Amino acid sequence: GAVVSQHPSRVICKSGTSVKIECRSLDFQATTMFWYRQFPKKSLMLMATSNEGSKATYEQGVEKDKFLINHASLTLSTLTVTSAHPEDSSFYICSANNLESHEQFFGPGTRLTVL
Amino acid sequence: TQLLEQSPQFLSIQEGENLTVYCNSSSVFSSLQWYRQEPGEGPVLLVTVVTGGEVKKLKRLTFQFGDARKDSSLHITAAQPGDTGLYLCAGRDDYKLSFGAGTTVTVRA
Repeated sequence: GAVVSQHPSRVICKSGTSVKIECRSLDFQATTMFWYRQFPKKSLMLMATSNEGSKATYEQGVEKDKFLINHASLTLSTLTVTSAHPEDSSFYICSANNLESHEQFFGPGTRLTVL
Repeated sequence: TQLLEQSPQFLSIQEGENLTVYCNSSSVFSSLQWYRQEPGEGPVLLVTVVTGGEVKKLKRLTFQFGDARKDSSLHITAAQPGDTGLYLCAGRDDYKLSFGAGTTVTVRA
């Protein structure tokens, strides 16, 4: 199957700092990538759709200024959690849409802990 | 956002037993995907079903897509401890996926 990577896999930061998470599609091009948040033992909650070359589309209730998304190329999208607070601690997962197969492939996730 | 209901929420069985997970919606999807996720990892795609009434088999796993493309089921035969994980169904509408709440499956040795 297609491979999607995320970096870093884990990050611990102090409250008030910003954290950038990278999502890369390694063997296919993805004009659309998605960012999800997952709480313990819960399902995935879509935060935003990242579109290459244009602004991201955010789901209702997700703060655009808090979660900055940049889709700079066909293989890379980044999520920056700005001025992170403990309530932002979560498991963040990205996925990439394979245009040929119309399937979404997920990254391994990033565990963010804000102290 | 279209809602998908998964049942049961939790399932604990003995090795060798069979299990079925259900995924239901009042909405029609162009396709439905099943994922399995282990703690601390991203979901891994198991199968995509597209055609109403479709049945797909993946070794001991059998996936069905309802005729009306609103519901699906995942059946595991002779479950093994390695089948333990969170099983998620996701319906595709245009380019977005809507996820069910997930079924946590535990297979005891």
